[in-house]
Amino acid sequence: GAVVSQHPSRVICKSGTSVKIECRSLDFQATTMFWYRQFPKQSLMLMATSNEGSKATYEQGVEKDKFLINHASLTLSTLTVTSAHPEDSSFYICSAMGNTEAFFGQGTRLTVV
Amino acid sequence: RKEVEQDPGPFNVPEGATVAFNCTYSNSASQSFFWYRQDCRKEPKLLMSVYSSGNEDGRFTAQLNRASQYISLLIRDSKLSDSATYLCVVNRNNDMRFGAGTRLTVKP
Repeated sequence: GAVVSQHPSRVICKSGTSVKIECRSLDFQATTMFWYRQFPKQSLMLMATSNEGSKATYEQGVEKDKFLINHASLTLSTLTVTSAHPEDSSFYICSAMGNTEAFFGQGTRLTVV
Repeated sequence: RKEVEQDPGPFNVPEGATVAFNCTYSNSASQSFFWYRQDCRKEPKLLMSVYSSGNEDGRFTAQLNRASQYISLLIRDSKLSDSATYLCVVNRNNDMRFGAGTRLTVKP
């Protein structure tokens, strides 16, 4: 079946640094990918929709200059958390739509210290 | 109002029990519907799609009522391994929206 690979699975970084998370569709092309964030014991919250070859669409309240999204090819989208702060610590998950369902990456647990 | 709302839970049930989860959605233009399962600290995985005619997969039965904008999931003869968070997911134009999830714990 379709697979979405997300990397890294876990990252710890210092406050003020930037972190890049990659999301790849391994055996299908994804013109659209989605980035979610999940805080402990809360639901997945859509951050932005990543569109290949164009600008991402951000949800209300999500800072586009802080969460940079690049979807340069049909199989790769990246999310860069810039100038990370402890409150950015969360579980970030990407997904891409297959023919009939959404497939998720394994998630990235970001801890900012 | 949230676009997708679920029972808040948590549900704590003994093995063998039957448990039902409810979900409502606000956008009548929603096109497809799913139940996903999410284990602790893992990504969500598709449990089953939900069709208007209702569909069953083993111990799991999903129902959709478009008129009421209501989705349900029934789990029969629950197992310890069913313990997880169940997410109601609504799709419109490939934009997937998630409910907050209902946590289920099945106890021996």
